[in-house]
Amino acid sequence: EAQVTQNPRYLITVTGKKLTVTCSQNMNHEYMSWYRQDPGLGLRQIYYSMNVEVTDKGDVPEGYKVSRKEKRNFPLILESPSPNQTSLYFCASSVGGFADQPQHFGDGTRLSIL
Amino acid sequence: RKEVEQDPGPFNVPEGATVAFNCTYSNSASQSFFWYRQDCRKEPKLLMSVYSSGNEDGRFTAQLNRASQYISLLIRDSKLSDSATYLCVVNPVTGGFKTIFGAGTRLFVKA
Repeated sequence: EAQVTQNPRYLITVTGKKLTVTCSQNMNHEYMSWYRQDPGLGLRQIYYSMNVEVTDKGDVPEGYKVSRKEKRNFPLILESPSPNQTSLYFCASSVGGFADQPQHFGDGTRLSIL
Repeated sequence: RKEVEQDPGPFNVPEGATVAFNCTYSNSASQSFFWYRQDCRKEPKLLMSVYSSGNEDGRFTAQLNRASQYISLLIRDSKLSDSATYLCVVNPVTGGFKTIFGAGTRLFVKA
């Protein structure tokens, strides 16, 4: 089954404790992206990747890191999480290296930073 | 001005009604447009792409107006199951390969 898989689905942690949210897709998609969703603000793009080893900032990259060492994986790293990073996070992927194709989303990760 | 703007609603309509949403965008060079549907903080799911000539999928019709820089979604014969948040998506193309989501329009269809 074609899918985007995020882990963990839920996480409560404390300020400053490094964490990684994994994202994996099995569709051989070139484009992958991370979003955060906050009430009233909609989805905002954190980082995106056009292909292996090619990443770029979205609109809200501060406090986040990503890497794309393999085509299927695109982890989101919070080196020193803070409470303002409490949010619902989505990973997505699409065919092609651009953002001109529909994106497939993972189920989301609810992060709470205390 | 936000790059992509939607009326947040909520739109409250009876079953069988026709409802329309608009989404305006600021970057005239934008090339790709989509409507997604999101249920209660679940993952967004593609509803339909928006083509220059307009396109229809059953009860749903999407249109693009480049001159006025907006896209629209028309839902005919609304069903209870259409209750959701509708997100418009624009890919500006220039300045990288970003994806810009509107904040969403909430629709409630009542019996």
